[in-house]
Amino acid sequence: QKEVEQNSGPLSVPEGAIASLNCTYSDRGSQSFFWYRQYSGKSPELIMSIYSNGDKEDGRFTAQLNKASQYVSLLIRDSQPSDSATYLCAGGEGRISNFGNEKLTFGTGTRLTIIP
Amino acid sequence: DAGVTQSPTHLIKTRGQQVTLRCSPKSGHDTVSWYQQALGQGPQFIFQYYEEEERQRGNFPDRFSGHQFPNYSSELNVNALLLGDSALYLCASSLAGKQFFGPGTRLTVL
Repeated sequence: QKEVEQNSGPLSVPEGAIASLNCTYSDRGSQSFFWYRQYSGKSPELIMSIYSNGDKEDGRFTAQLNKASQYVSLLIRDSQPSDSATYLCAGGEGRISNFGNEKLTFGTGTRLTIIP
Repeated sequence: DAGVTQSPTHLIKTRGQQVTLRCSPKSGHDTVSWYQQALGQGPQFIFQYYEEEERQRGNFPDRFSGHQFPNYSSELNVNALLLGDSALYLCASSLAGKQFFGPGTRLTVL
């Protein structure tokens, strides 16, 4: 069974520091990876997508992908209290014929708390 | 630009009943996926619709069925409800590779 694994946390980080969230996946065929943020009682919100090895930066967020190690991470710089949420890592199924609209396999999420 | 919308917001049913949940995708999005999220878990893929056909299906029993209409909106039907079906049901619409979730429907089965 294809799996995405995350440390469930909770992860506590002081305000202004860097929060580092990690994820591993089992399906070597996966081509696309996503980070979603989910506030308590709300639905997941897409914050980053990454398809190629290396880093991808968007504002305070940096996603990193290492396909050889089957590892995805999310860095949040200058962490703010509003970043406190559960972060879900998801991998696409990897069907080339359906690339970009594959079913997503999610991890259980990492709960992040930013301490003022 | 309206985002993904779902109805109803909350629903309470009893075991054995049937339920229909509805989803309207973002404007221009032609693909709709449904997920079930139990408390403390990540979303689990139920199925995906494209061009009014079920394109992919996850490991859910036949009690879970769906439909997509010509305007791309979609319904999720669950028959013979079990207590374990209590969850947040999420609809996601996608175009060009990214899936955007609606607010979800919280289903409680008593």
